[in-house]
Amino acid sequence: AQKVTQAQTEISVVEKEDVTLDCVYETRDTTYYLFWYKQPPSGELVFLIRRNSFDEQNEISGRYSWNFQKSTSSFNFTITASQVVDSAVYFCALSEGRDQAGTALIFGKGTTLSVSS
Amino acid sequence: DTGVSQDPRHKITKRGQNVTFRCDPISEHNRLYWYRQTLGQGPEFLTYFQNEAQLEKSRLLSDRFSAERPKGSFSTLEIQRTEQGDSAMYLCASSLVAGGLRSSYNEQFFGPGTRLTVL
Repeated sequence: AQKVTQAQTEISVVEKEDVTLDCVYETRDTTYYLFWYKQPPSGELVFLIRRNSFDEQNEISGRYSWNFQKSTSSFNFTITASQVVDSAVYFCALSEGRDQAGTALIFGKGTTLSVSS
Repeated sequence: DTGVSQDPRHKITKRGQNVTFRCDPISEHNRLYWYRQTLGQGPEFLTYFQNEAQLEKSRLLSDRFSAERPKGSFSTLEIQRTEQGDSAMYLCASSLVAGGLRSSYNEQFFGPGTRLTVL
């Protein structure tokens, strides 16, 4: 069965602190895709990143970075020098690659990040 | 704006009534997904279409729920005989899947959602 676990329910930091959001996944497929989405207070889910199971390279995009480790089934997300605008709920999601393109997303319960000034 | 749009944004109804939601995907996207999100939870998959074909339905999609995408463009989600437990945000997402290559997988882009309240 596929499952995504985000053990951190809420995290509070002060601006400019670095913060890491944890994500652990379970799947029996050898081909799968991992995602992070941001849901700000306005409610709309915003796509941040996708990683394929066959590509373990970590990625950095500005203040955001992602650490994908198949050995521990983890796909953690780090925000460097956090800002108030980063305050949101962050979801990790998994899609299995049954048809080479993946299908439905299985989401974790989300981590609420609050950044104070 | 060429993103995913959903209508209405909010719907309040009485228990037992039928409701219908509409989703317009990004124009060139061939896949369309419906999810449901309740307070404090992540979105849960309901069903998805590739063009006009409904390819998968979740066990969450009871007999009271039906979805269509008749021309492979917009989609509707109908809930019959609504129950208070149906109160949730209903999210639509679309993606473009091309060819048979692994690298063809594209991300799902979400609409703003329709918030349903059943009294």
